[in-house]
Amino acid sequence: GQQLNQSPQSMFIQEGEDVSMNCTSSSIFNTWLWYKQDPGEGPVLLIALYKAGELTSNGRLTAQFGITRKDSFLNISASIPSDVGIYFCAGLSGTYKYIFGTGTRLKVLA
Amino acid sequence: DTGVSQDPRHKITKRGQNVTFRCDPISEHNRLYWYRQTLGQGPEFLTYFQNEAQLEKSRLLSDRFSAERPKGSFSTLEIQRTEQGDSAMYLCASSLGVVGRPNTEAFFGQGTRLTVV
Repeated sequence: GQQLNQSPQSMFIQEGEDVSMNCTSSSIFNTWLWYKQDPGEGPVLLIALYKAGELTSNGRLTAQFGITRKDSFLNISASIPSDVGIYFCAGLSGTYKYIFGTGTRLKVLA
Repeated sequence: DTGVSQDPRHKITKRGQNVTFRCDPISEHNRLYWYRQTLGQGPEFLTYFQNEAQLEKSRLLSDRFSAERPKGSFSTLEIQRTEQGDSAMYLCASSLGVVGRPNTEAFFGQGTRLTVV
């Protein structure tokens, strides 16, 4: 099935560092969601974006809906060990179907 | 807890057996989704219900797979004659779709991990 491209695939960072990741598509989306998934668990919603250019924050997380509507970005500031996990973007295709990215695996070194 | 609930969390079955999974969505949500996730991949869309109507099925869903949502409440996903390639995490999600508004957030359950031996 179709999946969006996420970059980087994985990253190791030191605790306290800021993290940036992005998601790109060949198609235009009207909504972007960002999720975090821990091993053996379902994805947990972090942030939802509804307008091109929109910048939304949730605590230390900030996400942006790209102007072209084909990409989105997620930043995590001052990372902590519990930020470890896999981050997925999801774009809304049509009116109801979300297409997911390939994931960015984040590991935080204390 | 008012989140999406899935049962069972884990299922080990022998090849050729039938399995059924259940999903209870968030109570006021009219939209329900099934996704499949294999190791190292993002979730892949399987099927979508609006209330009790199944409006889309992915080509990933072979004729061995069937999903229902009687009365527009809980949903079941059945896999007949399981194969080793069916081993995956099966995720259920729900959302509230409102006419005239963009789709709202989709919330996921904890998933059912299927292992076919």
